[in-house]
Amino acid sequence: DVKVTQSSRYLVKRTGEKVFLECVQDMDHENMFWYRQDPGLGLRLIYFSYDVKMKEKGDIPEGYSVSREKKERFSLILESASTNQTSMYLCASSSSLGQSADFGDGTRLSIL
Amino acid sequence: DAKTTQPNSMESNEEEPVHLPCNHSTISGTDYIHWYRQLPSQGPEYVIHGLTSNVNNRMASLAIAEDRKSSTLILHRATLRDAAVYYCISRTVPDKLIFGTGTRLQVFP
Repeated sequence: DVKVTQSSRYLVKRTGEKVFLECVQDMDHENMFWYRQDPGLGLRLIYFSYDVKMKEKGDIPEGYSVSREKKERFSLILESASTNQTSMYLCASSSSLGQSADFGDGTRLSIL
Repeated sequence: DAKTTQPNSMESNEEEPVHLPCNHSTISGTDYIHWYRQLPSQGPEYVIHGLTSNVNNRMASLAIAEDRKSSTLILHRATLRDAAVYYCISRTVPDKLIFGTGTRLQVFP
């Protein structure tokens, strides 16, 4: 019953590293999203994509980029990781014709 | 994008009904109201959604005010497994979910 899979549950990286967070969905959904979750701030939208090779900025895109080369995969890239990017990252997907979005279980990223 | 406002926390006793309120005074006419909940160490999961009419499913009921500026998620009989953070969300067209900070629901035996 796997739906949205994030490549790692926990990840530790160093300041300045290039970090890739991978997300794969098996529901043929058009839309995919990346959020970060921090205590007291809820979920904030970083980037989203409505189709292959399309991307849109969310509310907090600074310091991040994304890649969607295939419909099922949406990658979040931290070009040069900084300590303020330590957070829980959640990926989601949805169909424009569907009722709901499906979320992965998140990647807890620590930048040292 | 419409912003939603919810109380930070609420408490309930097991087997009692729970009414979780949400204000969304700036919601547009085409935005759906969605509710998700997040259990510890998991991603959010869908609970229910609606546009104008009240809605029921096996998990909960959603009561939407006539002016659509507020809504209430109703858990008819809370269980310990319902302890979670509940998010009220406006779902825009084209598809985008804008989360607020949610309500942390505690359920006591």
